Amino acid sequence: DAGVTQSPTHLIKTRGQQVTLRCSPKSGHDTVSWYQQALGQGPQFIFQYYEEEERQRGNFPDRFSGHQFPNYSSELNVNALLLGDSALYLCASTASSTNSPLHFGNGTRLTVT
Amino acid sequence: AQSVTQLDSQVPVFEEAPVELRCNYSSSVSVYLFWYVQYPNQGLQLLLKYLSGSTLVKGINGFEAEFNKSQTSFHLRKPSVHISDTAEYFCAVSRQDGTASKLTFGTGTRLQVTL
Repeated sequence: DAGVTQSPTHLIKTRGQQVTLRCSPKSGHDTVSWYQQALGQGPQFIFQYYEEEERQRGNFPDRFSGHQFPNYSSELNVNALLLGDSALYLCASTASSTNSPLHFGNGTRLTVT
Repeated sequence: AQSVTQLDSQVPVFEEAPVELRCNYSSSVSVYLFWYVQYPNQGLQLLLKYLSGSTLVKGINGFEAEFNKSQTSFHLRKPSVHISDTAEYFCAVSRQDGTASKLTFGTGTRLQVTL
């Protein structure tokens, strides 16, 4: 049973560019959340998707957007990249119908130069 | 809003010694509490969680934590650590409207176990 899978594992972009990160949730999970973890910090909640809609959002600008597909997989898009967007981006999934906690993927390391 | 404070950024300890990682939280509503571990170049793995019931919670790898509502604390303990416990540990809270709700994390505690 595959857990949460994220791609790519590493990515290098230039300021001003756009990036798309991908996540496949754990089998049986229908809710996907995205977190940003800057170096030496705890993860910060970006947003959560359920039933293909954004259900909750953290304190991130509109440059951060997402999408959830009918198969529950999700994408995180970041436009007009800034140096400060360099971080580990973590995807987490859970099943809305149960009391299960979040399961995290290994993350995508984004470096903006 | 919720906030989490992990009082120690680094905790050095010798192998087979006991350890306590401290966590305090602040919230105007009832919360669920979690401890996650992060090994290098990996995501977060759940160690244990407190949802309700007994305030002493046992988790994986011999860890346990005690919820203290009056002190708003959720300290993590292990009676005897191993080298393999070296990692970053995060305390987190979420509102009690379902565990799918967003998590608020502390800044982490680096546990360094040496011989």
